[in-house]
Amino acid sequence: DAKTTQPTSMDCAEGRAANLPCNHSTISGNEYVYWYRQIHSQGPQYIIHGLKNNETNEMASLIITEDRKSSTLILPHATLRDTAVYYCIVSGAGSYQLTFGKGTKLSVIP
Amino acid sequence: NAGVTQTPKFRILKIGQSMTLQCTQDMNHNYMYWYRQDPGMGLKLIYYSVGAGITDKGEVPNGYNVSRSTTEDFPLRLELAAPSQTSVYFCASSYSQTVPGEQFFGPGTRLTVL
Repeated sequence: DAKTTQPTSMDCAEGRAANLPCNHSTISGNEYVYWYRQIHSQGPQYIIHGLKNNETNEMASLIITEDRKSSTLILPHATLRDTAVYYCIVSGAGSYQLTFGKGTKLSVIP
Repeated sequence: NAGVTQTPKFRILKIGQSMTLQCTQDMNHNYMYWYRQDPGMGLKLIYYSVGAGITDKGEVPNGYNVSRSTTEDFPLRLELAAPSQTSVYFCASSYSQTVPGEQFFGPGTRLTVL
């Protein structure tokens, strides 16, 4: 699976959009981009995934560049409850293994 | 649905003791996983199962055993506990063969080996 690079930490003002970047320059054609988050001491929570197209669900939007070498997770209106570590993971179709790096610690500030 | 449940929530073991971490899911998912998370680190896959009676090793299987006799349950067995197994253990499940990366996690078991 391709390696991902994320900033160690980010701050976001409450109510503003949080844009979390991820680089995955070695991604291959059949690999998906997944985003998870982990609120302190809890199990990881699936947020969204995408292959080529941008995706949106009730939690977030995922923007994938045309060359697929990077992506951005967007939380449109961050709240204090969105404070968590966010993981960007690349994994092949049908692959059972998710490789969690250290992620980005997002702090939402009042 | 309760989702993925894990017991116990906390456990302290002495070196050399054994224990079984329980994991149950009520979503009828075929795929189940065990991960461990050391302090300040990401999760690492220990074992996974693609269905009852089928298990396979992940990235860090040494010191652990698993079994999958039913769709719902996927227990993780620690034999001869060592301090290096002090960690938080998460169980997860998923339903899609095409996109197995969409996984649902339990709340975790915090294990300390002294």
